[in-house]
Amino acid sequence: AQSVTQPDIHITVSEGASLELRCNYSYGATPYLFWYVQSPGQGLQLLLKYFSGDTLVQGIKGFEAEFKRSQSSFNLRKPSVHWSDAAEYFCAVGGYSGGGADGLTFGKGTHLIIQP
Amino acid sequence: GAVVSQHPSRVICKSGTSVKIECRSLDFQATTMFWYRQFPKQSLMLMATSNEGSKATYEQGVEKDKFLINHASLTLSTLTVTSAHPEDSSFYICSARADSAPMGGYTFGSGTRLTVV
Repeated sequence: AQSVTQPDIHITVSEGASLELRCNYSYGATPYLFWYVQSPGQGLQLLLKYFSGDTLVQGIKGFEAEFKRSQSSFNLRKPSVHWSDAAEYFCAVGGYSGGGADGLTFGKGTHLIIQP
Repeated sequence: GAVVSQHPSRVICKSGTSVKIECRSLDFQATTMFWYRQFPKQSLMLMATSNEGSKATYEQGVEKDKFLINHASLTLSTLTVTSAHPEDSSFYICSARADSAPMGGYTFGSGTRLTVV
């Protein structure tokens, strides 16, 4: 069965500092990996996704993530955070089974707090 | 880009009544739709997967008689919470994709906050 682990429930970062959110996954086939951001009471916004090719993926809002197959990781990074980045971040894994696209399995999320 | 509209955004209902949530793909044909549930300050849990014209496939532990899913057309899926109870209060989010979508082309709705009183 697939699973996603986000080991950090909360992370506090000063505005302007760099950020790395950790994500480890387990998936029986070729994984498709995603990072989403959610503001309170809102839906999900896709930051970036990885399927194949270059293991360093660029996303929106200055985010990037690196896929490391040997470590089963897909960590999200941003060189300099802004106060507007404060939100809940979810890593997710999906793929394709014989019946078509699978629903996504989400991690528990990391709550990002930005200090002024 | 692909847009999914979810309605209503918020609903309050009395215990014992039923509530229907709609998920519409506005500019593409959604071959597959997914329904998720999110408890406060928790992650999203996949409830069921529905393919147009077929019965939904429910995840383990999800009561199919309580959470009725209909995917009668390529642009509309509905989730009906039957005989709702306070423990059904949650944030429900749908996601849709087309077979023709690029890999991982999941589009999410904006969610429905259900409160059962």
